[in-house]
Amino acid sequence: AQTVTQSQPEMSVQEAETVTLSCTYDTSESDYYLFWYKQPPSRQMILVIRQEAYKQQNATENRFSVNFQKAAKSFSLKISDSQLGDAAMYFCAYRKSNYGQNFVFGPGTRLSVLP
Amino acid sequence: KAGVTQTPRYLIKTRGQQVTLSCSPISGHRSVSWYQQTPGQGLQFLFEYFSETQRNKGNFPGRFSGRQFSNSRSEMNVSTLELGDSALYLCASSFADEASTDTQYFGPGTRLTVL
Repeated sequence: AQTVTQSQPEMSVQEAETVTLSCTYDTSESDYYLFWYKQPPSRQMILVIRQEAYKQQNATENRFSVNFQKAAKSFSLKISDSQLGDAAMYFCAYRKSNYGQNFVFGPGTRLSVLP
Repeated sequence: KAGVTQTPRYLIKTRGQQVTLSCSPISGHRSVSWYQQTPGQGLQFLFEYFSETQRNKGNFPGRFSGRQFSNSRSEMNVSTLELGDSALYLCASSFADEASTDTQYFGPGTRLTVL
């Protein structure tokens, strides 16, 4: 069974600085999708970024970028120029490439942004 | 376009009762997935419905059931409530027409408290 691990239960970053959240996963599949979701204190989960495993290029979305290392099964999220609104729980998630497959989520990392 | 909506947002029940939660997906989305979120277990997949059929099921007892209507709206039912069922129940929808578009979008959740 696939598993997703986030080894940092909590992280903090100064406003305007850069922070990297770690995620590793275990799978025997060669094709799959990886996601980072953000859950602010209001509880609505928001998609931050997604990566297709067959793409070598790392995904970026404005201040958010990933470092996808397929061989190492690592998928870290880098947040640049951190803002107070970035404070949230961040979940890494995995899904097989066949559609209809359920997501497997990591335990989450709570990110605090210090003014 | 309206997001995923869930009703009610908060619910208090007593042990032994049953409860029904509702989820309205984003217009055009045909897949609805349900997750249970607790501090101890994180996000756990309950089941997924696609075109009124349960397509995927997680490892939960039969007390947890669901259904999907022809308009893609979904309901989740929990019978004979236990204290351990207290959790945030999240609903997520996606197009699910092909793997490349199968990104899930989450609702705000229903906070269930069992006394």
